[in-house]
Amino acid sequence: EADIYQTPRYLVIGTGKKITLECSQTMGHDKMYWYQQDPGMELHLIHYSYGVNSTEKGDLSSESTVSRIRTEHFPLTLESARPSHTSQYLCASRRTSGSSYNEQFFGPGTRLTVL
Amino acid sequence: QKEVEQNSGPLSVPEGAIASLNCTYSDRVSQSFFWYRQYSGKSPELIMSIYSNGDKEDGRFTAQLNKASQYVSLLIRDSQPSDSATYLCAGGGITGGGNKLTFGTGTQLKVEL
Repeated sequence: EADIYQTPRYLVIGTGKKITLECSQTMGHDKMYWYQQDPGMELHLIHYSYGVNSTEKGDLSSESTVSRIRTEHFPLTLESARPSHTSQYLCASRRTSGSSYNEQFFGPGTRLTVL
Repeated sequence: QKEVEQNSGPLSVPEGAIASLNCTYSDRVSQSFFWYRQYSGKSPELIMSIYSNGDKEDGRFTAQLNKASQYVSLLIRDSQPSDSATYLCAGGGITGGGNKLTFGTGTQLKVEL
C-alpha cells in the first residue's frame, strides 16, 4: 500500500482566497507530480519535481505554483482561487533511481470547489 | 498519433466473463507500462505493471505486452460488478527523459449482473 497523503481531502472556498494543497509521501521517492482531473475526464499533469529544489511545469498550463524543499513534501499553491480552478487535484510519487520497477502511486486527492 | 491510446468505451461484459482492455502506444513510450483502476470520484490505483514482452499474471488480472505491435492489454477473468471502473493505461519512456508517465484517456468498464 502506498504511503502518500493529501490534505485537505475536500475544500470549499471563496473566490480570491489563497490556498495551499498539501502532499506528503513517506516512501523516499525522488519524483513527485501534481495532476488535475475533472469528473469523467482525463488526467492532466500540471507540475512535477525531479527532487529537492527541482520543479517543472507540466503539460497543462496552470496558475498554481509548487515547491519542493524536502523530499517528502510537495505542496501546491493557488494565490487567488477562481471558480475555473474547481477540480480534483491528485498528487503522485515515483522512484526512478536504483530500480527498474519505477511504479507511480497516487494520493487520495483533494476535491476543490471555488465559489 | 497520441502517445498512449485507449478506447473510451464503455465496455460492457456480463458477470463472470473475461474483460479485455487494450492500449496502443507510440515510439516515444517504450520502456514500462502500467494499468490503473479508477473508481468514480477516487484516485487511480495501480493494479499491474509490465516491462517485458509476454504475459504477467496477478490473481484475476493478466497484463500482456507486445512491443513489436506496440500494444499492451489487460485481461480480467471472472469479472465482478466491483470491477466496474475506468482503467487507465500508462507508459514511461522517452517522454520527459523518462521522468513522466504518459496516461491514456481511460476505458470505462461495466460489469453487468
